[in-house]
Amino acid sequence: QLQLVQSGAEVKKPGSSVKVSCRNFGGHFRNTAINWVRQAPGQGLEWMGGIFPVFEETHYDRKFQDRLTITADELTSTVYMELHSLRSEDTAIYYCARDMNGDYLFDPWGQGTLVSVPS
Amino acid sequence: QSVLTQPPSVSGAPGQRVTISCTGSSSNIGTHSKIYWYQQLPGTPPNLLIFDDDNRPSGVPDRFSGSRSGTSASLAITGLRAEDEADYYCQSYDSSLRASVIFGGGTKLTVL
Repeated sequence: QLQLVQSGAEVKKPGSSVKVSCRNFGGHFRNTAINWVRQAPGQGLEWMGGIFPVFEETHYDRKFQDRLTITADELTSTVYMELHSLRSEDTAIYYCARDMNGDYLFDPWGQGTLVSVPS
Repeated sequence: QSVLTQPPSVSGAPGQRVTISCTGSSSNIGTHSKIYWYQQLPGTPPNLLIFDDDNRPSGVPDRFSGSRSGTSASLAITGLRAEDEADYYCQSYDSSLRASVIFGGGTKLTVL
């Protein structure tokens, strides 16, 4: 049974960067895409981007492409999401989610990581 | 403002049927991009409810069903139960210049 386990909550200063991890337990890693979706407090879901390790492909939403980096470490079956130049509006829960076939069907999801950027 | 439009809230009594609409455009739902629905219970990650327009993953009751027509999609829930109270999101892909995964703004379902 695939399980995605994310790193713990972070508090960051404006202008800094945050790196959140998502470890894949019990599933294939290389031929599975992992995507990142965030949810600001009381708000809806927002897709940020994803990575398909076997093809060494990353896709970013235009809103984030200048300050978002998604990488993968095959040795530890872990995907990382790094967001730079943080601002208070980046305060949100960040989720990773599996996309098995590259058609943006997200299942399952990680437990979420709260990133707080106090103004 | 979300590219896919959902009503902010819907409500129904136990046992009733409710529908949640998801309105898009010719660059997303209208292009036959796949539609997914997620249920998010308070304090938990979203959970896949419907995939490929109208298919249910194993474990999802057949009280939940999806449909699409033109540039819109709908989620129907029959035999409403208290545990259905949650936020529901539709998701698709937009092939315009932005070329992005898109979500609806979410609909809060209240079981009266």
